Amino acid sequence: QVQVVESGGGVVQPGGSLRLSCGASGFTFGTYAMHWVRQAPGKGLEWLAVILFDASNEHYAESVQGRFTVSRDNSNNTVYLQMKNLGAEDTAVYFCARDHSPWGTARLDYWGQGTLVTVSS
Amino acid sequence: DIQMTQSPPSLAASVGDRVTISCRASQSINSAYLNWYQHKPGKAPNLLIYAASSLHSGVPKRFSGSGSGTDFTLTISSLQPEDFASYYCQQSSSPPFTFGPGTRVEI
Repeated sequence: QVQVVESGGGVVQPGGSLRLSCGASGFTFGTYAMHWVRQAPGKGLEWLAVILFDASNEHYAESVQGRFTVSRDNSNNTVYLQMKNLGAEDTAVYFCARDHSPWGTARLDYWGQGTLVTVSS
Repeated sequence: DIQMTQSPPSLAASVGDRVTISCRASQSINSAYLNWYQHKPGKAPNLLIYAASSLHSGVPKRFSGSGSGTDFTLTISSLQPEDFASYYCQQSSSPPFTFGPGTRVEI
């Protein structure tokens, strides 16, 4: 069955960097766009980024533009989120989600359970 | 950017109640690009409704969606114990693919 599993979360100091990974299985990974979404403590879902099936294009939320970079390795069924210059406002559970199409239409049909990132000194 | 709002922010209901959640977009969107998700604490969010009114595979028929333009609605016809959760609308018309602030459905 379709599975996406996030990893790489942890505690990072303000101004630091972290790379999250999302491993996928149960589907042909290289034919789907992939997204990152986060939920800060006590807050709602915030869409962050999308990468198309062939990594030909990406889009970002304004809140992370220039600090976060999404990438993918279709040979290893993995999508990444490189985060830098982290601040307290980035403390959240980060979810990876599959788009139902290759083109980033943002119908997110399968999600992981998330990985927690805590920015704290 | 398209902003999404939802009402109410939270509601209290009982098993068997009919529940309606509203979602409004800051500009008109094609109904093909309006989705609804359910999210329980500590769990993965679940797609419920796509294209404003189409039920995602495996989602119970008590969930339904409607609307067009800027105003959309999620309805739960008869609330079940497993439906107590937060619900989010999302526009997928253009990036950034914004979510609404959520509606928490409580007992």
